[in-house]
Amino acid sequence: GAGVSQSPSNKVTEKGKDVELRCDPISGHTALYWYRQRLGQGLEFLIYFQGNSAPDKSGLPSDRFSAERTGESVSTLTIQRTQQEDSAVYLCASSLGPVGTEAFFGQGTRLTVV
Amino acid sequence: AQSVAQPEDQVNVAEGNPLTVKCTYSVSGNPYLFWYVQYPNRGLQFLLKYITGDNLVKGSYGFEAEFNKSQTSFHLKKPSALVSDSALYFCAVRDPLNTGFQKLVFGTGTRLLVSP
Repeated sequence: GAGVSQSPSNKVTEKGKDVELRCDPISGHTALYWYRQRLGQGLEFLIYFQGNSAPDKSGLPSDRFSAERTGESVSTLTIQRTQQEDSAVYLCASSLGPVGTEAFFGQGTRLTVV
Repeated sequence: AQSVAQPEDQVNVAEGNPLTVKCTYSVSGNPYLFWYVQYPNRGLQFLLKYITGDNLVKGSYGFEAEFNKSQTSFHLKKPSALVSDSALYFCAVRDPLNTGFQKLVFGTGTRLLVSP
């Protein structure tokens, strides 16, 4: 596709359930980012990938959060045993690779934990 | 580690007046700086970037930003604000000397409100 695609666009889950959020980056983009944005707040860095490896996982809030990327393409962010404080919009972005290139964002996945 | 500060949670300006949204940064090397805009219920859109060269960079929708190395700032400006410019603005930085050189760190955002 032409842009970064995230699915689902909306997810409502019960507390304690696991969820998987998917990101399809722009084809050829080697860098991929996950951010969390709580209602009315800024962007909280979670993790980023260079190719399939994640040099910096420091932003993951707890061991309930994990992410992987395969084939230098699709990435999945998994949240286990969801809690109400996990409710937020999860944004994915990708960039071509060289550090000077801008990142392009998807529309996000709105996660609501009830 | 790189960081970005946006000292103002909100900026209010009247339509037709110039606007400035402030951003300061901290990196170990020469920064790569970006501005993004987020309209309600929409994703982030890229506005402009500074990599090297002219300190004044021009971007989308008539916005520009000035890189000031001595003040470690990258303020976003527009000569004449429009009501439609009302949105949430984010400054971001990469530090190419950082081991994780692709890491893109955002500020907390500044809400711009342009009144008619």
